[in-house]
Amino acid sequence: DSGVTQTPKHLITATGQRVTLRCSPRSGDLSVYWYQQSLDQGLQFLIQYYNGEERAKGNILERFSAQQFPDLHSELNLSSLELGDSALYFCASSAEAGPNEAFFGQGTRLTVV
Amino acid sequence: GQNIDQPTEMTATEGAIVQINCTYQTSGFNGLFWYQQHAGEAPTFLSYNVLDGLEEKGRFSSFLSRSKGYSYLLLKELQMKDSASYLCAVRDGAGNMLTFGGGTRLMVKP
Repeated sequence: DSGVTQTPKHLITATGQRVTLRCSPRSGDLSVYWYQQSLDQGLQFLIQYYNGEERAKGNILERFSAQQFPDLHSELNLSSLELGDSALYFCASSAEAGPNEAFFGQGTRLTVV
Repeated sequence: GQNIDQPTEMTATEGAIVQINCTYQTSGFNGLFWYQQHAGEAPTFLSYNVLDGLEEKGRFSSFLSRSKGYSYLLLKELQMKDSASYLCAVRDGAGNMLTFGGGTRLMVKP
């Protein structure tokens, strides 16, 4: 158990809908990272927050947004969902701003039908 | 940006040694990570190199040459449970983004 908690574990929704994925980092970790992993794309960095502030942004679509709350948990919002958004979404956390030994949650498997 | 290359698949025999290579081209570099990922599970941290040379941790070792943009992960005394994907990842110069390669799927056969 990495100490990073993601909910829900599985999510099935229809095209055009909006979903929210939740991540609780390890106790004491200030950084949260979001990654998308689909079969043909590998693990893609989406966005990073550090102590509530956006720190780095990767290939995140405009339909996607994220935030980190004062209690350091984070949410990833995916809207206007398309079939191609079906993937595993991982959250990782680390103590510092740079991902020294980032710890990954078990992921949320999103299926868009 | 970052460009990270590693072989897609490898096969090895139980008890043997296997070396998984990773080459990278980056606009900035602040460390290289190796992660193990079993199918459908979360990646788990294996090793971290920021200076040139070999880091050994039990059956696993990782090597880095920054001048060549090259790293490898060496797995010794292979076990069936080592069948997994091995992900090479590079941290950018700002120390924020961790960019992953496509992963190498290793199959260990009896």
